[in-house]
Amino acid sequence: DGGITQSPKYLFRKEGQNVTLSCEQNLNHDAMYWYRQDPGQGLRLIYYSQIVNDFQKGDIAEGYSVSREKKESFPLTVTSAQKNPTAFYLCASIGALTGELFFGEGSRLTVL
Amino acid sequence: QKEVEQNSGPLSVPEGAIASLNCTYSDRGSQSFFWYRQYSGKSPELIMSIYSNGDKEDGRFTAQLNKASQYVSLLIRDSQPSDSATYLCAVGERAGGTSYGKLTFGQGTILTVHP
Repeated sequence: DGGITQSPKYLFRKEGQNVTLSCEQNLNHDAMYWYRQDPGQGLRLIYYSQIVNDFQKGDIAEGYSVSREKKESFPLTVTSAQKNPTAFYLCASIGALTGELFFGEGSRLTVL
Repeated sequence: QKEVEQNSGPLSVPEGAIASLNCTYSDRGSQSFFWYRQYSGKSPELIMSIYSNGDKEDGRFTAQLNKASQYVSLLIRDSQPSDSATYLCAVGERAGGTSYGKLTFGQGTILTVHP
């Protein structure tokens, strides 16, 4: 079935470590997004990419990095420069014709 | 920074009533508007999308858009306990075609429908 796969679902990290969250989609969507959600809050945009080999910073890009080498993949690296990385991370993609933003199931990162 | 604001919650309505959720946005050039429902611990799921001024109905849900007032709302008729969730408003820079650009979400409104 078509969809977005995020992994891992749960991740624990020690302070000072970089971690990479995977996001893969088989929907043939051009645009992909990474959002962060903290308890009781909405979604804040970290990075988005509208085409392979191109991406733009969102509202809270500091401490994060991304790549878009393939249409299907948009991994997010949470670096040690991110001061408060514990959160729920959501990857999404959107089809240009349908306008539906599909979400993955999310990755919950906890820094110990 | 472009902002999307939703009416503060939580909102509590009795079963069978109409729930009204509101959202305002700051970027007058916004072209696409979405309502998502999110259950606790889950990812958001799309309820409605709207691009033109006026009303759009889908079952018990009606989205209303007023670009002049920079306002979009969601009405839920005959509310059910299963509608209890957080509702998120999202606003896009563009209306599709080649891309939707940046998609900005509001902070969400918690809705509780009590029997």
